Amino acid sequence: GAGVSQSPRYKVAKRGQDVALRCDPISGHVSLFWYQQALGQGPEFLTYFQNEAQLDKSGLPSDRFFAERPEGSVSTLKIQRTQQEDSAVYLCASSPDRSVNTEAFFGQGTRLTVV
Amino acid sequence: DAKTTQPNSMESNEEEPVHLPCNHSTISGTDYIHWYRQLPSQGPEYVIHGLTSNVNNRMASLAIAEDRKSSTLILHRATLRDAAVYYCILRDITSGTYKYIFGTGTRLKVLA
Repeated sequence: GAGVSQSPRYKVAKRGQDVALRCDPISGHVSLFWYQQALGQGPEFLTYFQNEAQLDKSGLPSDRFFAERPEGSVSTLKIQRTQQEDSAVYLCASSPDRSVNTEAFFGQGTRLTVV
Repeated sequence: DAKTTQPNSMESNEEEPVHLPCNHSTISGTDYIHWYRQLPSQGPEYVIHGLTSNVNNRMASLAIAEDRKSSTLILHRATLRDAAVYYCILRDITSGTYKYIFGTGTRLKVLA
C-alpha cells in the first residue's frame, strides 16, 4: 500500500557537505512532521507543516537545518555543512489532519552518517 | 509539555499477556494518550490511543486510570513479532501543532 516514503534510505556524507532528505507523505495528508532519532534514543521533534505552511520549527537544532514543503505534499529536509553530530536517523510522519484524535504514519527513515 | 515515564525494559514469554505501564502525572484534561511501537530499523508504528475510557483494537488494549495519571498497554498474547520499543506519548494540544513528544520508551523482549 502507499505509505510514507523516504529517500534515500541511507546517506553517507563527508563533514561539511550539504544533504537533502526527501519525504513523500500519504496523499492528501495535511500534517507532516520531521523527527531526528539518535542511536538508542527516542525520536526528537524537528519541525511541523500544515499543508505548505511551516507552523513549528522549534526543534531544528541550528540554522544549518532547513525544511520546506512548497506545494503541501512532498517535503525536503536540508542540512548544510554537515557535522558528525548530525549523524542520526531522520524520520518523516504524516497524518490526515491536525486533530489529536488521529494517528500519524511514519516512514522508515533516512539513516545519515557523517564521516 | 507533559511528560511520561516508562520502565526501560521488560521481558515476556511468548503467548502470554504483557502489561506495559506508563506514568503521566502531569497530564492535562485534553491530552490524548497515544502508544506507538518501533521495530528494529523501522519507523514508529501506531498501536492505540485514548482519552478517558479504556480502548480495544485488533493489536492491543489500553487501560486508563480513573485519574488519568497512568495507563497500561496490554498485549493479550505476545508473539516474537511484538519485540519492539514501545512509546507512551501525550499529544500536546497546547502547542498548536499537536507534536508527539517521545521519551526513551520500554524495550520489550519476548522469549520463545
